Amino acid sequence: EAQVTQNPRYLITVTGKKLTVTCSQNMNHEYMSWYRQDPGLGLRQIYYSMNVEVTDKGDVPEGYKVSRKEKRNFPLILESPSPNQTSLYFCASSLHSSSLSYEQYFGPGTRLTVT
Amino acid sequence: AQTVTQSQPEMSVQEAETVTLSCTYDTSESDYYLFWYKQPPSRQMILVIRQEAYKQQNATENRFSVNFQKAAKSFSLKISDSQLGDAAMYFCAYRSGEYGNKLVFGAGTILRVKS
Repeated sequence: EAQVTQNPRYLITVTGKKLTVTCSQNMNHEYMSWYRQDPGLGLRQIYYSMNVEVTDKGDVPEGYKVSRKEKRNFPLILESPSPNQTSLYFCASSLHSSSLSYEQYFGPGTRLTVT
Repeated sequence: AQTVTQSQPEMSVQEAETVTLSCTYDTSESDYYLFWYKQPPSRQMILVIRQEAYKQQNATENRFSVNFQKAAKSFSLKISDSQLGDAAMYFCAYRSGEYGNKLVFGAGTILRVKS
């Protein structure tokens, strides 16, 4: 089954304790992206990756890091989480924009609370 | 930068009735895609319908249809014969036809369905 998986689904942590949210897709997609969802703001892109070892900032990258060492994985790293990073996080993947297929596949979401 | 505006934070509809959710967007591009996503309480992002800007014909998927007015930069979603399972948050989203796969989302509209 084609899917995007995220772990953990729920996480409560404290300020300053480094954490990683994993994302993996089994569709051989080149493009992967992270979004955060906040009330009244919709989803906003944090970082994206066009392929292995190619990453770039989205609209709200402050306080986040990513890496793309393998095509299927795109972890989101919060090295020193703060309460304003409490949010619902989505990973998404798709074929590269040059292809005809433009649908993005979303993971199930990770609810992060930073106290 | 592109923006997407959903001016209705909440809408209600009686079961079996029709409801229209509004979306406007701002762009200087001529080639782009528009989407409606549904987010039920499970938080999963589900693609409901998509529209290519170069197509004049409005997209339709079963009970879901859009009214795409390119000149007015308007992209409303009509849900006919509303069902209890339609209750969810609905997001309108924009994707550039040229610059990457990033989705720009509106703030969302909560749809409540009354039995």
